[in-house]
Amino acid sequence: AQRVTQPEKLLSVFKGAPVELKCNYSYSGSPELFWYVQYSRQRLQLLLRHISRESIKGFTADLNKGETSFHLKKPFAQEEDSAMYYCALANQAGTALIFGKGTTLSVSS
Amino acid sequence: NAGVTQTPKFQVLKTGQSMTLQCAQDMNHNSMYWYRQDPGMGLRLIYYSASEGTTDKGEVPNGYNVSRLNKREFSLRLESAAPSQTSVYFCASSEVLSLYGYTFGSGTRLTVV
Repeated sequence: AQRVTQPEKLLSVFKGAPVELKCNYSYSGSPELFWYVQYSRQRLQLLLRHISRESIKGFTADLNKGETSFHLKKPFAQEEDSAMYYCALANQAGTALIFGKGTTLSVSS
Repeated sequence: NAGVTQTPKFQVLKTGQSMTLQCAQDMNHNSMYWYRQDPGMGLRLIYYSASEGTTDKGEVPNGYNVSRLNKREFSLRLESAAPSQTSVYFCASSEVLSLYGYTFGSGTRLTVV
C-alpha cells in the first residue's frame, strides 16, 4: 500500500536551532516526493520537489531509499518558518498525491 | 495570474442543505482535484479529474459529487450536507504531477450545523 507517515504532530524548537521534520513512505518502485508548507490559514505552497533537489528558504530534503524516508531539514530555524508542513507522495498511477497528516512546526525566540 | 480560484471562501450550511463549491484555474492544467483538510487527518482526496470529461473517486467520495465543466472549472457538490462534512476544502490543479506537484486554491471553510 502507498502511504506517507509523518510521525510528529508538533515540533517545537527555538530560533536558530536545527530542524528535522520526519517523513517516511511506503511505495513500490521509485517514489516522487514533495514537501508542502501551509502558513496560518493560507493555501498550501510547494516547498520542495525531490526530483529537482533544490533548496528553498534554506530547507533541504534527501531521499533515502534504504530507510524509505524524505526528511525535511534546515540548519537554523527562523520564527517565520512556523507553519504546517505536509509530506506528499505521487501515487503509483501518477494521478494524484497522497499526503501525510502533517507536522506543525513552532519556532519560538 | 490568478492560479487556482475557489469560491466561496466561507460558508455555513444547515444539515440537509445543498451547495456547490466552485474551482477555476487559468494555467491550462489538465488535472484537477478536490481535497478536504481536517485536524489530525491531513489532506484526503475526495475526487479528481485527470482530464476534461473524466472524473474519478478518491479516498473519501461519499456524500459528494463533482463536475468537470470544462478544462478550467471543476466543481464539488454536497447534495445533503451533514455535520461530518464540516471541513476546509481545497481545490488543486496540476500539469505533470511527478515534476511539478499541485497548485492549490486558497480553500473554502465550510461549517455544517
